[in-house]
Amino acid sequence: KAGVTQTPRYLIKTRGQQVTLSCSPISGHRSVSWYQQTPGQGLQFLFEYFSETQRNKGNFPGRFSGRQFSNSRSEMNVSTLELGDSALYLCASSLGQGPYNEQFFGPGTRLTVL
Amino acid sequence: ILNVEQSPQSLHVQEGDSTNFTCSFPSSNFYALHWYRWETAKSPEALFVMTLNGDEKKKGRISATLNTKEGYSYLYIKGSQPEDSATYLCAFPYGQNFVFGPGTRLSVLP
Repeated sequence: KAGVTQTPRYLIKTRGQQVTLSCSPISGHRSVSWYQQTPGQGLQFLFEYFSETQRNKGNFPGRFSGRQFSNSRSEMNVSTLELGDSALYLCASSLGQGPYNEQFFGPGTRLTVL
Repeated sequence: ILNVEQSPQSLHVQEGDSTNFTCSFPSSNFYALHWYRWETAKSPEALFVMTLNGDEKKKGRISATLNTKEGYSYLYIKGSQPEDSATYLCAFPYGQNFVFGPGTRLSVLP
């Protein structure tokens, strides 16, 4: 069974640009969550999608957005990039929602903003 | 703001030593607590899902206990091996998302 995949793995952008990251969940998983990790910070929750609907959003500015497609694949978009957006972005998929659902993480996309 | 804390921040042990670290979380509205292991250059890997009615969880040399009344969980590693070197994260479900602790970075020296 294939794991969670994320593309691209590495990305370099300049301030003001926008970026789109992609996440393909494990087959059959309907929930996809996105997290940001910056140096010295733990994983910070960005948002969660379930059945193509955003179910929850973390405390991030509106420049961060996402969507989920009918095949459960998800994209995350960051517009007007800032230096502080440099981070590792992880997505995680799970079968369903709720506190008992084990999350399976992808390898992450390392975004560098120059 | 929900706080999930982990201690110590980092830990260096010798191969063969046993070790443990702590995750502290709010004791009210508890549903579950998740433990993950995150090795460098790999994806976080789920270790345990600790639930209200659960007993000690065990996977090989790693085990975890839970005290929901006082709001903490311990992760134990018996006879640490270099391959146990990783960051160990706990995550507390809150609402529809998970709040992660900052992690404990374990280094096992051969």
